[in-house]
Order: sequence, then C-alpha cells, then structure tokens
Amino acid sequence: NAGVMQNPRHLVRRRGQEARLRCSPMKGHSHVYWYRQLPEEGLKFMVYLQKENIIDESGMPKERFSAEFPKEGPSILRIQQVVRGDSAAYFCASSPSFAGGSGEQFFGPGTRLTVL
Amino acid sequence: QKEVEQNSGPLSVPEGAIASLNCTYSDRGSQSFFWYRQYSGKSPELIMSIYSNGDKEDGRFTAQLNKASQYVSLLIRDSQPSDSATYLCAGGSQGNLIFGKGTKLSVKP
Repeated sequence: NAGVMQNPRHLVRRRGQEARLRCSPMKGHSHVYWYRQLPEEGLKFMVYLQKENIIDESGMPKERFSAEFPKEGPSILRIQQVVRGDSAAYFCASSPSFAGGSGEQFFGPGTRLTVL
Repeated sequence: QKEVEQNSGPLSVPEGAIASLNCTYSDRGSQSFFWYRQYSGKSPELIMSIYSNGDKEDGRFTAQLNKASQYVSLLIRDSQPSDSATYLCAGGSQGNLIFGKGTKLSVKP
C-alpha cells in the first residue's frame, strides 16, 4: 500500500523561475495538505485541499504561490518567480476521506527546493 | 496567534529510561492532537493521535491530553537509541495543524 508520494524529491531553481511540486495522496485519501519547513524552523501549514476545492489557504503567501488538486492527477503546489527565501522543504500530507479535516495526516517524503 | 510550544531540548535520557515530552497549545478550539517523530533530513512520521482528555497507550508510547490545561504529553517507555529524533507536537481542527518547533531527544546507549 503506497504511502504519500511527492516528486521531485529535490528541485533546484534559479531566482525568477517557476517551481512545481507534485503530491499524490495515499490510496483512499481525498484530503491533501501542504506544509513548509524552513531550516531550523517548525512546520508551517500552507493549504488544505480536497478534489477540485481549496478548503483553507490561510497559510499561503498571497502572491506567487498557488495550489490545486484536480479531479484527476496529483495535487500541485506552484511557486512562481521563486526567490531565495523560498528555499525550504515542502511536505505534502493526506488524510482519509471519512475523517474530514480532523483526521490523522500522513506525510510524504517532501520536496527540497533550493533557489540559487 | 495560534501557537504550540515545546521545549526545544535536547532531552537526553539513558537507554531503557522513560522519556517525557511536553507541549502546550494556545487555541482552545483545537480538537485533534498528534505526535510526530522526525529524523534529520526526513519527513514527519505519525506516532500518536489523541482527541479526548486522558491517556492513550500504543506499545511503548503513551499520549496524555488535558484540555483544561491546554497540555499534551508523550511518554516513551524503555527508550532505545533508535528513538533519538525530533518529536513534533501538533494540534488543530479542520485540517489546519499548528506544529511546535519540536523537542530533540537523544537516547544514550
């Protein structure tokens, strides 16, 4: 039973480029969450999505960041015009459909983004 | 500002001892609480979840929740060197989990 999958595992971008991070939830999970972890910092919530819906994006920066979870395919976190401060580990988590938003969240391996 | 506070440690215990990890949270609306273990350079791994006041045991791990005091704890019995990691406490409701910065645990052989 595959866990949460994220790709790429490592991503290097130059300032001003776009970064696309992908997340496939565990089988049977329809709730997806994105978190960011800066070096020596805690995990920070960014966005919570269900299929075709953004439920809570209160942690997303207002500019350059967007997320989607289409009917088919993985969830995508998109960062436009990246800056050095975007360098971080980005984790995706998923939870079972029956649990709503309060269920246990299982994390993927993360994408380490480095902005040169 | 919703916060989860943890002592950053490091907490050092000898092998076989009980490790006690604590956290407090500020949001009284939080309904779900979790403990995650994170090894350096890896992703968080769920250890325990707790939703109601009292104790919850799973193997060597016991989680305790006291909503009146806004306090959550994790006890690790018979600590092993492989338990050495950073332990993250998280709380929230409706999917938006607030994480503490973690307590670094070191179990000495």
